Amino acid sequence: DQQVKQNSPSLSVQEGRISILNCDYTNSMFDYFLWYKKYPAEGPTFLISISSIKDKNEDGRFTVFLNKSAKHLSLHIVPSQPGDSAVYFCAASALWFGNEKLTFGTGTRLTIIP
Amino acid sequence: DGGITQSPKYLFRKEGQNVTLSCEQNLNHDAMYWYRQDPGQGLRLIYYSQIVNDFQKGDIAEGYSVSREKKESFPLTVTSAQKNPTAFYLCASSTGQETGNTIYFGEGSWLTVV
Repeated sequence: DQQVKQNSPSLSVQEGRISILNCDYTNSMFDYFLWYKKYPAEGPTFLISISSIKDKNEDGRFTVFLNKSAKHLSLHIVPSQPGDSAVYFCAASALWFGNEKLTFGTGTRLTIIP
Repeated sequence: DGGITQSPKYLFRKEGQNVTLSCEQNLNHDAMYWYRQDPGQGLRLIYYSQIVNDFQKGDIAEGYSVSREKKESFPLTVTSAQKNPTAFYLCASSTGQETGNTIYFGEGSWLTVV
């Protein structure tokens, strides 16, 4: 039962254009959402997050949009740069028996074409 | 520098052997986690611990064991009962019991069963 879904396993975008990565979730108890970036053979690094009380959060080239009614979030990267090529994981957070638990999507491999 | 240290980075194990992966953090975080990454599966939670001497099973705990004798250490043992142990293992930590705490990851450990 995949509660957090990233339906696009891969995405290729031209350098300088906008990259849009999508994520859907099914559990209404999730109240915080995060995006992580992961290079091969390394641990994921935190990119940007959004609380369920907001619908947009921006940090430099990265913007995350949350549509609670559709249970959908997206990460926009603009302009895309070659160093953005990585796997991006969407994660959703909820309190589970008083403890925070993160559930991750399966990841989207983003390739930026020079 | 504060962070999470996993060792070893690469490990080979013969079938039927137990192996222990080390995870140490100096971030003074209460919560620690072990995740496993497989292609197309995202990150799946094996075990987590909110405080010393306490830990909880995650989604895929079968064939694994952990201990939390010290706040800074959370070793994971992959036992011979784990049917498919070859994977990339990630240790993580966070401040704890509220949602929205950023989780920090170690660099990961590659385990290969030969």
